[in-house]
Amino acid sequence: NAGVTQTPKFQVLKTGQSMTLQCAQDMNHEYMSWYRQDPGMGLRLIHYSVGAGITDQGEVPNGYNVSRSTTEDFPLRLLSAAPSQTSVYFCASSYRRGTHYEQYFGPGTRLTVT
Amino acid sequence: AQSVSQHNHHVILSEAASLELGCNYSYGGTVNLFWYVQYPGQHLQLLLKYFSGDPLVKGIKGFEAEFIKSKFSFNLRKPSVQWSDTAEYFCAVKEGYNNNDMRFGAGTRLTVKP
Repeated sequence: NAGVTQTPKFQVLKTGQSMTLQCAQDMNHEYMSWYRQDPGMGLRLIHYSVGAGITDQGEVPNGYNVSRSTTEDFPLRLLSAAPSQTSVYFCASSYRRGTHYEQYFGPGTRLTVT
Repeated sequence: AQSVSQHNHHVILSEAASLELGCNYSYGGTVNLFWYVQYPGQHLQLLLKYFSGDPLVKGIKGFEAEFIKSKFSFNLRKPSVQWSDTAEYFCAVKEGYNNNDMRFGAGTRLTVKP
C-alpha cells in the first residue's frame, strides 16, 4: 500500500492564481481531511469528508474548496491564492471501527504564495 | 467545536531527564484523544491514542499519557528522554465517535541535549 499520497511536494504560486492540491489514499478509508500547518499554530482543519459525496468545513475553510467524488481522492482547490495561504498542507485519511479511530497523514505539500 | 491547549511551546531537556507535556481540551462530551510526533522534515506519526477504558495509555518509543476526565487533560510523559526524541509533539482531540472533526493543539517543540 502506498498509504496517503500528496502531489505536488512543493509549489510556488502568484497571488490570484488557482491550483489544486491532490490527495489519494489506497486503504479504502471512509474519512479524509485537509489540514494546514503554520508555525506556532499546530495543524488546523480546513475541510473534511466522511465519505464519497460528503464534505464539511473545518476550522479554516475560507478560500478553499473540496470535493469527494471517489473514496480514494480528496483534492483541495485554492480558488484565488493569497500570501496568507502560504503554509504546509497535510492530507489525512482515517477509519473508524466501533469506538476505534485512526488517522494516517500524507507527506505534505509546501505551498508558497508570492 | 472543542479547543486544545498545549501549555509548553518549547521544552529543552538533557538526555535521561523525565518529560511531561501538558494538554487540555475544552469539550465536555465523549472524546478521542491523541498524541502525534513530527520529526524534522517529516509528517505526523501517531504516538498513542485513548478511546475508552484504562486512562493510562502506553504508546510507542516508551511514551505514555494519562487521561484525567475531571481535569480535561491528556498529558504526555516519558521517564527518560533520548536525543532522538527531539521533535515537535501535538495533542489532538476528536469529539465522539461518528465524525472526522479532529482539532490539534499548537504543538510543543522538544529539544533534547546530548
